Amino acid sequence: SQELEQSPQSLIVQEGKNLTINCTSSKTLYGLYWYKQKYGEGLIFLMMLQKGGEEKSHEKITAKLDEKKQQSSLHITASQPSHAGIYLCGADSGGYQKVTFGTGTKLQVIP
Amino acid sequence: DVKVTQSSRYLVKRTGEKVFLECVQDMDHENMFWYRQDPGLGLRLIYFSYDVKMKEKGDIPEGYSVSREKKERFSLILESASTNQTSMYLCASSLTLEETGGYEQYFGPGTRLTVT
Repeated sequence: SQELEQSPQSLIVQEGKNLTINCTSSKTLYGLYWYKQKYGEGLIFLMMLQKGGEEKSHEKITAKLDEKKQQSSLHITASQPSHAGIYLCGADSGGYQKVTFGTGTKLQVIP
Repeated sequence: DVKVTQSSRYLVKRTGEKVFLECVQDMDHENMFWYRQDPGLGLRLIYFSYDVKMKEKGDIPEGYSVSREKKERFSLILESASTNQTSMYLCASSLTLEETGGYEQYFGPGTRLTVT
């Protein structure tokens, strides 16, 4: 089965700083998803990557999928307190629109 | 906007009780999912359903069952609750993204279940 490892597990940054979260897969990724979860709530879809080398941006968040399609990174520019939460990567997992999720990265942004 | 609602945000039950967690989506999605989320373990898929009355086991189905009698409603049942089922339970439904053929899962707010 596919395993997704995220690093770091947690991150504390000063407001305004840039940061990167990584997601590494044990297998080739055919669909890679990034979600954000506010503490104690459900997940919100951020973006999906499919092609090697693909890069997408949403506001100040940029996600990339490497050429080999086994690693993705999520980069936040000029972090704000509203970026705080748990970021999870997910991957297509065997049909029926199933997704296997990583263990998440907890982000705190200090004003 | 797609809405996925869960019947309770917080629930406290006793060991041995039968527990029902309800999930309703309002966008006519075919696929629905139940996950549990635990610190250090991430989200783990319990069961999913791809159509009315159709269900499949996920990665950790032991101790759980599900019911999908109507398309919009997917219920998770803990037949005899145990303390190791204390967790955050998240329901989701999914939609195909036309542009990419991928899919987006829409999540409910979660139910934090404590079994004492």
